[in-house]
Amino acid sequence: EVVLTQSPGTLSLSPGESATLSCRASQRVSSSFLAWYQRKPGQAPRLLIYDASSRASGTPDRFTGRGSGTDFTLTISRLEPEDFAVYYCQQYGSSPYTFGQGTKVEIK
Amino acid sequence: EVQLVESGGGLVKPGGSLRLSCTASGYTFNDYSMNWIREAPGRGLEWVASITSESSYIYYADSVQGRFTISRDNAKNSLYLQMNNVRAEDSAMYYCTRDASGGGLGYWGQGALVTVSS
Repeated sequence: EVVLTQSPGTLSLSPGESATLSCRASQRVSSSFLAWYQRKPGQAPRLLIYDASSRASGTPDRFTGRGSGTDFTLTISRLEPEDFAVYYCQQYGSSPYTFGQGTKVEIK
Repeated sequence: EVQLVESGGGLVKPGGSLRLSCTASGYTFNDYSMNWIREAPGRGLEWVASITSESSYIYYADSVQGRFTISRDNAKNSLYLQMNNVRAEDSAMYYCTRDASGGGLGYWGQGALVTVSS
């Protein structure tokens, strides 16, 4: 099983600042099949990034995914008020298709 | 517009059974793999099971293997999750999801709440 570890657990930032979220895998993620999701209270999770670096339809270009192998990052440049949420990474390269435990981006 | 609507959630006793359903619309159902994802309070997202478009391949999380069964009926545009021998730790919101065209879980339902309690 590929264990995904996200860091930090919480990121306290102000609107306009940049956020860098990390997702580290316990073993290589096959074909960089890694996605990032945004989770807001009362809403279903939203796919932001797939295949490590491809933006899903409707994802603003301030969201950038990078990485390969075991180390992946999601960068949010110029945080907007609607970006404060919990972010999850998930690998879908090998079953079980595990999620990380999440990083909360909160307003400082 | 893609829509996924879950039903069948509720209160069930430990050791009991429950069947979740998901009705899909707005796209060709049998073109995509489908999945169940759950979220328990304070525990984050957990992948539960996946099924390919023609049910050729089925995968389960270790935590539900042998107790849960994922299935689909393409003629009815429906996905199912049969939950047997449920445990307290199965209490969660269960989401029906559809694979995105490129990768990842592109579409999510609003969820069905399952509570396991005596």
